[in-house]
Order: sequence, then structure tokens, then C-alpha cells
Amino acid sequence: DIQMTQSPSSLSASVGDRVTITCRASQSVNSYLNWYQQKSGKVPKFLIYGASNLQGGVPSRFSGSGSGTEFTLTINNLQPEDFATYYCQQSFSTPYTFGQGTRVEIK
Amino acid sequence: EVQLVESGGGLVQPGGSLRLSCAASGFRFSSYSLTWVRQAPGKGLEWISYISSSDGAQYAGSVKGRFTVSRDNAKNSLSLQMYNLRAEDTAVYYCAREVGYCATTSCSHYYYGLDVWGHGTTVTVS
Repeated sequence: DIQMTQSPSSLSASVGDRVTITCRASQSVNSYLNWYQQKSGKVPKFLIYGASNLQGGVPSRFSGSGSGTEFTLTINNLQPEDFATYYCQQSFSTPYTFGQGTRVEIK
Repeated sequence: EVQLVESGGGLVQPGGSLRLSCAASGFRFSSYSLTWVRQAPGKGLEWISYISSSDGAQYAGSVKGRFTVSRDNAKNSLSLQMYNLRAEDTAVYYCAREVGYCATTSCSHYYYGLDVWGHGTTVTVS
């Protein structure tokens, strides 16, 4: 199975900040990398597919990059509604494993 | 409205069995692959099972041989039969729809992601 490792596990940021989350795969997943957002007590929301493609309706302050084994999720101009936990997921080979999550908290 | 609604969760003793269901509405159910994802209390997301539109099934190692996924396209329903349950199976179980986007101009490969999620059903093994 492909292991996905996110860093950091948590971070504190202020409204208006730029936030970057890293996701590393134990082997190449090409660009088959998704990002999800989960707010406390809520269902995960699909943000990005193919490493850098925004799902419909996702604000443009979210962006993704990377390929192979290293990926980043960047949130520009962090908004109050962005405080949540973010997960990466590889869809290169089953099982489509998730990272352990990165919690973005209010500073 | 596109919707997935899980049911069937509950409290079960270790070694017991449980069958989860997921009712779909608002989309052409038979055309989509579906996935079960679980989340243990205070923990992250874990992909556990998948069934394709053509009934091909995949499982995570943690549940392989104990869980069986199936679908009934006539009833727009997805099921997860769970056997020999363990304490570590305690979690919220979500069903999710898998969407595919062309990864190449010829659409020979697709990027897959989970675009619609149910609200989950809780399984407690104790």
C-alpha cells in the first residue's frame, strides 16, 4: 500500500495568512492526488483532484501543486471558514490511502 | 438533489456482524463507482472499500476477508456487510460517490475523487 504523510500535523494561522500543507507519498503517484477539507463534525469536502485542479465551487484561494511523491496545498488569504482539517488522498492505486490530516487552527 | 444516506450502524459485540446500507438519490447510480470511508473517533479518514459500476470490488487490508461490499442498481443502494467485528472497527462509516475526470486528452486515464458524501453512520464495537 502507498503511505501518505502530511506535514505539519497541525498549524496555527491568522485570517489573511498564506498557509501551505505538504503531502508526501511513499512511492510515486504521478498526479493522482486529491485534497479534502473536513470541518469539525462535518462531512469531508472534495477540494482538488489531479494534484492541481479545483473541484467546482472551490474558491480560487485554494491551489495545489506537485507530482510524483511531493505535493502541496496552499491557501492564500486564509478565511475564517477555512479553519478545518485537510487530508490528501492518492488515487493512483487501491487502496486509495489518505494522509493523516493537517489541522489548521486559528492563531 | 444528489444525496447519499447511510443507515445500519449501531452497537455490536466483538466478533459480531453488521450490515450497513447507503441509499442514493438524485443521480444515475448505476454509472458511478462508490466507496466506503471510515473515521475512528478523533482520527483521520480511512479508505476501506470500493465497488465499481461493473461490480468490481477492492478492499483495504484492514478489512479484507471480513467486509463485503455490494450494490443493487435497481434499488440505488450500496451495502457493506461486516463480519468478525473488532474494537478497532469502531468508527463513523461514510459512503461516497467517486467521480472521474479525464487525466489525458484521450481520456485513457482518469483522476478519481470522492465528490458526494453521506453524513455517515456510527458503528461501535464493544
